[in-house]
Amino acid sequence: ETGVTQSPTHLIKTRGQQVTLRCSSQSGHNTVSWYQQALGQGPQFIFQYYREEENGRGNFPPRFSGLQFPNYSSELNVNALELDDSALYLCASSLSSGGRSYEQYFGPGTRLTVT
Amino acid sequence: AQTVTQSQPEMSVQEAETVTLSCTYDTSESDYYLFWYKQPPSRQMILVIRQEAYKQQNATENRFSVNFQKAAKSFSLKISDSQLGDAAMYFCAYRLKTGANNLFFGTGTRLTVIP
Repeated sequence: ETGVTQSPTHLIKTRGQQVTLRCSSQSGHNTVSWYQQALGQGPQFIFQYYREEENGRGNFPPRFSGLQFPNYSSELNVNALELDDSALYLCASSLSSGGRSYEQYFGPGTRLTVT
Repeated sequence: AQTVTQSQPEMSVQEAETVTLSCTYDTSESDYYLFWYKQPPSRQMILVIRQEAYKQQNATENRFSVNFQKAAKSFSLKISDSQLGDAAMYFCAYRLKTGANNLFFGTGTRLTVIP
């Protein structure tokens, strides 16, 4: 059983650019959640995908968008990068079934630096 | 709105001693989950322990136990026989049982273990 993986590990972008972060969910999981963790803070929920549809969204602007693929892997896209987007981006996968949601397992994160 | 508060930014404990990390939360819901996550310098968020709100019995996982006081909306983590490997950021988190299962995190407590 493979765990949650994320790529890349680190990324440096310039303000105004666009970035795509990737996440492979744990085997058997069908739900992916993305979180932003600013330095010295707890993670903040961005959005969640279940069976390729957005299934909940936190207080983030539309320039944060996502996708989930048939194999349940996911992408987080951020357009028009701002300095405040510098953070650790965490992906978590889980199983949702029969109206129940099970534990979220986190990947190692992608550290994004915007200059 | 759901909020999670960790009032101890930093804590330290002598190796082999016991330490308690505090967490309070605010919710109008009656059925939910509470969690403690550990985030070592490797950045990967690791689930330490989980508590279901409707269960009166406090959860225990080896050296880790919680004191769940539902009426007071308090959820503290006790680490017994502290080990050097316990040094990390600890985050308290909450999520609903139904609907979007995103986690709400506190701001974390940095635990230092002194040899």
